[in-house]
Amino acid sequence: GAGVSQSPSNKVTEKGKDVELRCDPISGHTALYWYRQSLGQGLEFLIYFQGNSAPDKSGLPSDRFSAERTGGSVSTLTIQRTQQEDSAVYLCASSLEGLAPLEQYFGPGTRLTVT
Amino acid sequence: GEDVEQSLFLSVREGDSSVINCTYTDSSSTYLYWYKQEPGAGLQLLTYIFSNMDMKQDQRLTVLLNKKDKHLSLRIADTQTGDSAIYFCAESMTGGSYIPTFGRGTSLIVHP
Repeated sequence: GAGVSQSPSNKVTEKGKDVELRCDPISGHTALYWYRQSLGQGLEFLIYFQGNSAPDKSGLPSDRFSAERTGGSVSTLTIQRTQQEDSAVYLCASSLEGLAPLEQYFGPGTRLTVT
Repeated sequence: GEDVEQSLFLSVREGDSSVINCTYTDSSSTYLYWYKQEPGAGLQLLTYIFSNMDMKQDQRLTVLLNKKDKHLSLRIADTQTGDSAIYFCAESMTGGSYIPTFGRGTSLIVHP
């Protein structure tokens, strides 16, 4: 079956512009995660959606970052007034909830470049 | 807070064994994972180990866990050029949202 897909694969934007990154999780996966991967850094957790529960936003680095998940499926990560330090690969992952060990399925990522 | 540490680079010759090391600080970690990221792709789960185990073998992969020292290693036997990738160590707990904490990743370079 289809894996996690993300769009666009690459995004170049000017500093100060807003961007939207999209994630389509695996059908039936109730948990969805956003991570940021900067050069030489590990995966930085951003936000986690679990079913109908309130999302865990504890990893969002500033109020310029927000995310939503519509209908328990597709998710959009929005970055407002982008800064050069926002340049990174943004990875989305999904998983079945309530199972251990946790197997996350990752998308290929969106490479964001802020000029 | 939780912290997962890995060395950043490892270079090996094709056919040799590779050993990638990881240390973690959270003693309540229940599961420890190894993920592989090939260029331009997302992460793929390779294997995991439960904290009450000290070894797990899966074909060319061997995971060793020293819970006392909070040290995890991944050994790849007969390393091939296709094994060149970034390898991430991660830990999580059961219960709650158990969002995994990832290390920075180790870039494995396999040369002929």
